[in-house]
Amino acid sequence: QMQLIQSGADVKKPGASVKVSCKASGYIFTSYYLHWVRQAPGQGLEWMGRINPNSGPTNYAEKFQGRVTMTRDTSITTAYLELSNLRSDDTAVYYCAREYFVEAFDIWGQGTMVTVSS
Amino acid sequence: QSVLTQPPSASGTPGQRVTMSCSGTSSNIGRNIVIWYQQLPGTAPKLLIYNNNQRPSGVPDRFSGSKSGTSASLAISGLQSEDESVYYCAAWDASLNGPVFGGGTKLTVL
Repeated sequence: QMQLIQSGADVKKPGASVKVSCKASGYIFTSYYLHWVRQAPGQGLEWMGRINPNSGPTNYAEKFQGRVTMTRDTSITTAYLELSNLRSDDTAVYYCAREYFVEAFDIWGQGTMVTVSS
Repeated sequence: QSVLTQPPSASGTPGQRVTMSCSGTSSNIGRNIVIWYQQLPGTAPKLLIYNNNQRPSGVPDRFSGSKSGTSASLAISGLQSEDESVYYCAAWDASLNGPVFGGGTKLTVL
């Protein structure tokens, strides 16, 4: 069964960093781009960036440049999203998603709620 | 504010056919394929349509997608109560070098 399992909810203070994990199983981890998408409460979807799990190159949305880092550990088929200098408007559910069809995400993680509050 | 424009709501009765639109620009829909996702409350989005009009395995043929110029649409025929959900369109954007999404259309089955 192909799936992405994410780490649990987290609460951070403004200015802190958060690291979310996304473990892949049931498919060849290094064969497909892994993307990160977030959704603020009651809002739409926002793309943050992607990582090539095979060789590691990343593409980040300009909005998050300088604050976001995407990495992966192929030995445990897990990708990570780290977002630094958190602000209250970073409060959102963060999803990882596999790009299988061109530009389309066929498998999504269950989402990780990150709350930024003082 | 979302890059792609979708009407915030749509509605229909069981058995009816409904359509919802998605409007973009030459930087996204005008030059790239359109994707549609369905999101039930409290769950992750689910891929509904890829490559403008292709359905992944398991998606009923009641769902269909089309694209023309800088706009796209999703049609649902034989509406069912379980179709009540939020539907998002997406397309790769040349300026962002990544996908952009619509704000979502909340479908209500009356």
